[in-house]
Amino acid sequence: ETGVTQTPRHLVMGMTNKKSLKCEQHLGHNAMYWYKQSAKKPLELMFVYSLEERVENNSVPSRFSPECPNSSHLFLHLHTLQPEDSALYLCASSPQTGGARNNEQFFGPGTRLTVL
Amino acid sequence: KQEVTQIPAALSVPEGENLVLNCSFTDSAIYNLQWFRQDPGKGLTSLLLIQSSQREQTSGRLNASLDKSSGRSTLYIAASQPGDSATYLCAAMEYGNKLVFGAGTILRVKS
Repeated sequence: ETGVTQTPRHLVMGMTNKKSLKCEQHLGHNAMYWYKQSAKKPLELMFVYSLEERVENNSVPSRFSPECPNSSHLFLHLHTLQPEDSALYLCASSPQTGGARNNEQFFGPGTRLTVL
Repeated sequence: KQEVTQIPAALSVPEGENLVLNCSFTDSAIYNLQWFRQDPGKGLTSLLLIQSSQREQTSGRLNASLDKSSGRSTLYIAASQPGDSATYLCAAMEYGNKLVFGAGTILRVKS
């Protein structure tokens, strides 16, 4: 257990559905992240939140909408997804918000998303 | 733009062998270099973090080194065991807490 939990662990949705992924960290960290892991591609950073404020959006399509209501919770709202969005979505957290050499990221188990 | 490359893409070794996984990165302006382990269908487990000012870190049978000037890091696994079978990922941390990942090395240790 890394102290980062994600729900649901598996999700199947149609292209017209709306769903949300949830991430919770129990580590008292100040930064949270969403990553996407597609088959045969390296992990890609999607969003970075620092103290509940989004500081990075790696050119992610608007059909992915993040929300960070507090420093312990992070959501990824999904709507009108495409089959190519099927992937493992990983959440992570780290203690510090700014650049720091010891700012280790801790990952959750991921949500396996399938878009039909 | 930072690019991280891992060699080899896959590795199969008999139990007990010592092995080295390689990671290279194109931009030396990194805060740290992290090594992770990922089991099939699972999340990432952090193995070692080497700060940019450090040369190496050790944890049990694992030793990771960092040479910023040449843009290289290695993960050394001593006396490999079947339980070490997994995908190993390296990631370079850039400004803004951004981790840039390599594609990983799939390791299989045969008993």
